Amino acid sequence: NAGVTQTPKFRILKIGQSMTLQCAQDMNHNYMYWYRQDPGMGLKLIYYSVGAGITDKGEVPNGYNVSRSTTEDFPLRLELAAPSQTSVYFCASFGQGRQSYNSPLHFGNGTRLTVT
Amino acid sequence: DQQVKQNSPSLSVQEGRISILNCDYTNSMFDYFLWYKKYPAEGPTFLISISSIKDKNEDGRFTVFLNKSAKHLSLHIVPSQPGDSAVYFCAASEGTYKYIFGTGTRLKVLA
Repeated sequence: NAGVTQTPKFRILKIGQSMTLQCAQDMNHNYMYWYRQDPGMGLKLIYYSVGAGITDKGEVPNGYNVSRSTTEDFPLRLELAAPSQTSVYFCASFGQGRQSYNSPLHFGNGTRLTVT
Repeated sequence: DQQVKQNSPSLSVQEGRISILNCDYTNSMFDYFLWYKKYPAEGPTFLISISSIKDKNEDGRFTVFLNKSAKHLSLHIVPSQPGDSAVYFCAASEGTYKYIFGTGTRLKVLA
């Protein structure tokens, strides 16, 4: 069982380039999330999705776009990369049954992105 | 505006002693709280959670306490082990599935 898989693990972009960070989960989770973690900072929510076709903004959505065409995949798109987007990006998913304490967010291992 | 705050960026504790990690929040509508542990180059992993209808939840060496009037929660690790050395994040949500995380506390357990 792979859980949450993120690709690539590392990427260096030049200012103005674009790229898509991939995230896939095989747990049939409805809810998926993108967070970024800057050095010395916590995890900031970029976008999240409560199901296929439904997405919503988090705390820091500017400069990013998402789509959710399937339950499994939740790609994050950077259209015009800027140095401020240098960060580690984490994708997470969440299953049914919020009342169950055994259904927390499951995280991938992250994508380390550098924009120069 | 930081709705979930962890005011101690780091903490060092001797092996075998208690580790206490603290978290404060500003949104009184938060009703579900979680703690995550993160090792370098890995994603955060779930540790323990608590609903706002409780004031304590225990799982082995880990206990989370919630003080709603003070908008404060804490994670107690007893006894602390060197393998507990990691960054700990608290997180909260308010009746939705939108989880807001704190800035993290780096715990170092000294052997």
